Amino acid sequence: DGGITQSPKYLFRKEGQNVTLSCEQNLNHDAMYWYRQDPGQGLRLIYYSQIVNDFQKGDIAEGYSVSREKKESFPLTVTSAQKNPTAFYLCASSVSRNTGELFFGEGSRLTVL
Amino acid sequence: AQRVTQPEKLLSVFKGAPVELKCNYSYSGSPELFWYVQYSRQRLQLLLRHISRESIKGFTADLNKGETSFHLKKPFAQEEDSAMYYCALSGTSGSRLTFGEGTQLTVNP
Repeated sequence: DGGITQSPKYLFRKEGQNVTLSCEQNLNHDAMYWYRQDPGQGLRLIYYSQIVNDFQKGDIAEGYSVSREKKESFPLTVTSAQKNPTAFYLCASSVSRNTGELFFGEGSRLTVL
Repeated sequence: AQRVTQPEKLLSVFKGAPVELKCNYSYSGSPELFWYVQYSRQRLQLLLRHISRESIKGFTADLNKGETSFHLKKPFAQEEDSAMYYCALSGTSGSRLTFGEGTQLTVNP
């Protein structure tokens, strides 16, 4: 089954702990993205990667980190520095940087206790 | 900077009535505009893009550069149209897609 797979779907974390969200794609897409979805605020871009071993900060990168060591994988780490980490996180990919057609995963809901 | 505004967080219509979801944007160059939809318990997915000038599931959207708008319209709403709709903009350099705040559409029977 092709597409974007995010895991875990639900995650609980204590304050002060880092947590890593997984995102894997088998679409052979070059570009991958992480968005944060909050009610009433739409989707806000955290980080994006246009090619392996390269990534750029989005609009709300503070308190987050990413890596792109493999084309199919783009994990997001939510660090303890993120002041308001409880949110729904969406990973997406696109064929290339020059297309607005993104394919999304099912999302991961992180709750900080 | 690029910005997308959807002024209505919630929109409720009756089945068979026309529906219009508003989207306004600001961008200094020539933008590409998109509408994405998220049905209940489904993934966010592309509905349509302005360059295609196509109708998807009865929805159309016209880019109005003078008014900087890209409103989504359907003449006769159906219950299955109930979903969250996001307007999005991509600049000429590509890669960064900016989303609006979203509009939750409810079509009542």
